[in-house]
Amino acid sequence: QQQVKQSPQSLIVQKGGISIINCAYENTAFDYFPWYQQFPGKGPALLIAIRPDVSEKKEGRFTISFNKSAKQFSLHIMDSQPGDSATYFCAAITSFAGGTSYGKLTFGQGTILTVHP
Amino acid sequence: DTEVTQTPKHLVMGMTNKKSLKCEQHMGHRAMYWYKQKAKKPPELMFVYSYEKLSINESVPSRFSPECPNSSLLNLHLHALQPEDSALYLCASSQGQDNQPQHFGDGTRLSIL
Repeated sequence: QQQVKQSPQSLIVQKGGISIINCAYENTAFDYFPWYQQFPGKGPALLIAIRPDVSEKKEGRFTISFNKSAKQFSLHIMDSQPGDSATYFCAAITSFAGGTSYGKLTFGQGTILTVHP
Repeated sequence: DTEVTQTPKHLVMGMTNKKSLKCEQHMGHRAMYWYKQKAKKPPELMFVYSYEKLSINESVPSRFSPECPNSSLLNLHLHALQPEDSALYLCASSQGQDNQPQHFGDGTRLSIL
């Protein structure tokens, strides 16, 4: 019920291509969907996020597409660059029971993206 | 550079040592978190502090002891750790609302000899 399923596990793209990472969830209580980018030796960095009342959000080369009825969301990286090579985690946030001032992050298993020059 | 600062970046300790990990944020966030991350895995939640009070302990062994001295600081005290505790320990913070994103530090790479 709390899982977020992410695919693919790894992805190789040529420079200039489009990288697409997909996530699916079951818990309808999730109400915020962030994506994190993590480079080796660094912590996850918030990349872009979307709320379920929005179907698409774009920030620069990064776009989230959200399909509420299918319980799926995806990250598109346009014009992929070697510097985009990193591990990407989708995530979903829900409140802890009873309403709180903090949220529970449920992560997908991650996608290792390699962009070849 | 992240807005959540963690020290030290690396730590090697023996199983009988006592050490502490430190985390600091100056974004005015009222919720702070400790996560553990193993290689090629997503972060796993350990503790949540909300308004300086421990709110969540995800069944973490007592050899890990969190502390929140004030709204900007979070410590994780370590004692008698096991080799399987070797991991990247991440601190995160978020605004005092339940559906706000969490911002992570770069972590402390901990190795237990």
